[in-house]
Amino acid sequence: KNQVEQSPQSLIILEGKNCTLQCNYTVSPFSNLRWYKQDTGRGPVSLTIMTFSENTKSNGRYTATLDADTKQSSLHITASQLSDSASYICVVSLGTGGFKTIFGAGTRLFVKA
Amino acid sequence: NAGVTQTPKFRVLKTGQSMTLLCAQDMNHEYMYWYRQDPGMGLRLIHYSVGEGTTAKGEVPDGYNVSRLKKQNFLLGLESAAPSQTSVYFCASSASGSIYEQYFGPGTRLTVT
Repeated sequence: KNQVEQSPQSLIILEGKNCTLQCNYTVSPFSNLRWYKQDTGRGPVSLTIMTFSENTKSNGRYTATLDADTKQSSLHITASQLSDSASYICVVSLGTGGFKTIFGAGTRLFVKA
Repeated sequence: NAGVTQTPKFRVLKTGQSMTLLCAQDMNHEYMYWYRQDPGMGLRLIHYSVGEGTTAKGEVPDGYNVSRLKKQNFLLGLESAAPSQTSVYFCASSASGSIYEQYFGPGTRLTVT
């Protein structure tokens, strides 16, 4: 069964600290993996996208990694800011003919002053 | 350039009532999507369209209908609302398939009593 699982479900960190969010997937055939940021009451916004051949992608203080062999991805946030408080969603697309995308349930990050 | 807009932002329906959610994008994107987001779950694809005049079923299409009469608009209809359709609905658009970034609207919060 195609699934995307994220951990932890929620996380509280102090401003200025780093954190890493995890995404494990059992999706085949794999096409690409994205990380989205969703602020409360808003739609998701894309942070990074990685294909099979890419194992790291950065967007400012956000760095995503991908291990296609173990089917794991992580999102590392450096020097967190209060504005990083949001849900972070891992999304995996299948490399099939139609359109098939599996969304993870997300990790809720709270950054405290 | 407004991106993706959705109307209405909030709506309360009684069981059995009907309504239409409107999504509009001004980025000349070919692909458009409707998702629902429920607590503790990832976004689930309801219907999508790969171009004007085309529609296709996603993961959870039952109870919904869609139309794409104009390239910039994608309508989601509920013919007879049920409490199980209480959710937050997001529209998204992309230039093409899954490799391209999806741009999401702000969402419509629908409650069916």
